[in-house]
Parts: sequence; C-alpha cells; structure tokens
Amino acid sequence: AQSVAQPEDQVNVAEGNPLTVKCTYSVSGNPYLFWYVQYPNRGLQFLLKYITGDNLVKGSYGFEAEFNKSQTSFHLKKPSALVSDSALYFCAVRDGRGTDKLIFGTGTRLQVFP
Amino acid sequence: GAVVSQHPSWVICKSGTSVKIECRSLDFQATTMFWYRQFPKQSLMLMATSNEGSKATYEQGVEKDKFLINHASLTLSTLTVTSAHPEDSSFYICSATRGDPNTEAFFGQGTRLTVV
Repeated sequence: AQSVAQPEDQVNVAEGNPLTVKCTYSVSGNPYLFWYVQYPNRGLQFLLKYITGDNLVKGSYGFEAEFNKSQTSFHLKKPSALVSDSALYFCAVRDGRGTDKLIFGTGTRLQVFP
Repeated sequence: GAVVSQHPSWVICKSGTSVKIECRSLDFQATTMFWYRQFPKQSLMLMATSNEGSKATYEQGVEKDKFLINHASLTLSTLTVTSAHPEDSSFYICSATRGDPNTEAFFGQGTRLTVV
C-alpha cells in the first residue's frame, strides 16, 4: 500500500538558517510526489512536485526538494528560512497507476524564530 | 495555478440540521474532486472521491448517508453533512484535479464547521 512518512512533528529553525523537512515514501510503481503548505484555517497551497526528470526540484517561495530513489525520500529544503515560512507542511504521494488520489503524510509544523 | 473556491469558509449550525458545502473549480474543468476532513493538529483524512455524473466513492469508515456528495457538473461538487452532530465539527477541505496525473491537485480554502 502507498504511504508517506513525515518523521518530525515539528521543526524549529532560526531565521536565515537553512531548513529541511523530511519525507519518505513507499509506493508500488513510479512515485508522483508533492509538497503542500497550509497556513492556519486555510486550504493547502502547492509548493512543488516530482514527476520525472531532475532529482532536484525547485518550487514556490524559494523551496526545493530532492528526490532520492534509493532512500525513497523527498525532503523539502530552503537555503535561508523566513519567519513567514512558519506553517504546516505536508508531503503527499500519488500512485502512478492512474488514480488521482493523494496520500498525505502526517504533516510537519515548521517554526522559524526571528 | 488554477483556483478552487470553497464556500462557506465557516458555518455554525444546530445539532440535527444539515449543512451544504460547495466546492467550485473556477477556471478549469475538474474531472475529479476530493473531500477531506482535518482534525486539529492532524493530517487530512480522505473522505470520498467524486467524479462528475457518477456516484462518489467513499473511503472505508465514512458514512455515505451522512456525508452526501454530489458532483453535478465539471466545476461543482457539494458535500452535505446531514443531521449534523457536534462530533461532525471539523475542518473540511475539497480539492480538484484535471485528470492528468502529471499535474498537482488544487485545494479550496476549507470550511470550518461547528455544530452546537
């Protein structure tokens, strides 16, 4: 069965420092991977995706993620965190066998301190 | 990116009444729409998958008679919470896709339902 794991409930980082939010996945078939961000009482905003191609994917707001097939990981990164990046981040995977259904991780709360 | 509009943003209703939540894709045709429920500080739980003109597919454990889903057109899906009870209070989010697995899903802004 498809699954996504976000091992950290919360990540704390100082403003200006690099940040990493971890995600590992388990799927049968080719993985279609996504990162979304959620601000309080709002829906999810799309950040980036990996479908195929370069393992390093660049997305919105300066975020990027690296697809690592051997480690089945898709960690979200940003070179320099902003206080405004504080939010809830979700990793998701779509089964590549034709369904549009997304499987979400449990979410990681990112807190960036000034 | 494409826009999905969800209405209302928040609603308070009395126990025993029904509440309808709308999800519209404003600038694209959504072949599939999804309804999620999110509890405080938790992830999104998929409730059902809705395809235009056909019956929704509910996830295990979700009562289809309680959460009625209608997908009457390629731009509109509705979720009706029937005979609402306080335990139905939650944050409900819809999303829509174009049917292309290479593209991302687009999410509505969510509806905060409080049943009193």
